[in-house]
Amino acid sequence: GAVVSQHPSWVICKSGTSVKIECRSLDFQATTMFWYRQFPKQSLMLMATSNEGSKATYEQGVEKDKFLINHASLTLSTLTVTSAHPEDSSFYICSARVGRGPLAKNIQYFGAGTRLSVL
Amino acid sequence: AQSVTQLDSHVSVSEGTPVLLRCNYSSSYSPSLFWYVQHPNKGLQLLLKYTSAATLVKGINGFEAEFKKSETSFHLTKPSAHMSDAAEYFCVVSAQNQGGKLIFGQGTELSVKP
Repeated sequence: GAVVSQHPSWVICKSGTSVKIECRSLDFQATTMFWYRQFPKQSLMLMATSNEGSKATYEQGVEKDKFLINHASLTLSTLTVTSAHPEDSSFYICSARVGRGPLAKNIQYFGAGTRLSVL
Repeated sequence: AQSVTQLDSHVSVSEGTPVLLRCNYSSSYSPSLFWYVQHPNKGLQLLLKYTSAATLVKGINGFEAEFKKSETSFHLTKPSAHMSDAAEYFCVVSAQNQGGKLIFGQGTELSVKP
């Protein structure tokens, strides 16, 4: 149990276009999802916390209008990188925390990540 | 504020020898601590979690970690390394009263030589 699916796994886009990344909890309900960014050989940097049915909470220094987050259901959160530029190229990882039920132990389950390359 | 420090950025061992990945934490309360593993270009997989129950925590794939409050440490060990253990390992602490936010260490890259 506790599988998180992230799609796409790899995307290449032209500068100025927008890219949407999906994060789904397949076998549990996730009231809270998290979006991270990871640069090569570095640790994960939390970008924002996404709560179902409410606005995301962004970390300091993360542009809300640049990285749009929507958490419309208990199993889906999306991150849209708007008007992407080469400096947005990175590895983006989502995680989901079980909100209720026997798996509700404050554990985050991670997706496999999305590698974004902006040309 | 909570923080974790992974003392080694890179550890290299031979297959079949013990693994020790070191982690020290800083917390003003009894923390929740985790070890996650990340294989290249993959997401993170939970190895084990400490939540103030038994101080010796057993995880998946033969890994275990011991919580030592007096030393503020949570080192990860495995008796015998396997080639498939080569990956990046993250020591993580859960931030208090921040909605489950995790604070990551800088990571330790484990290499396993044949």
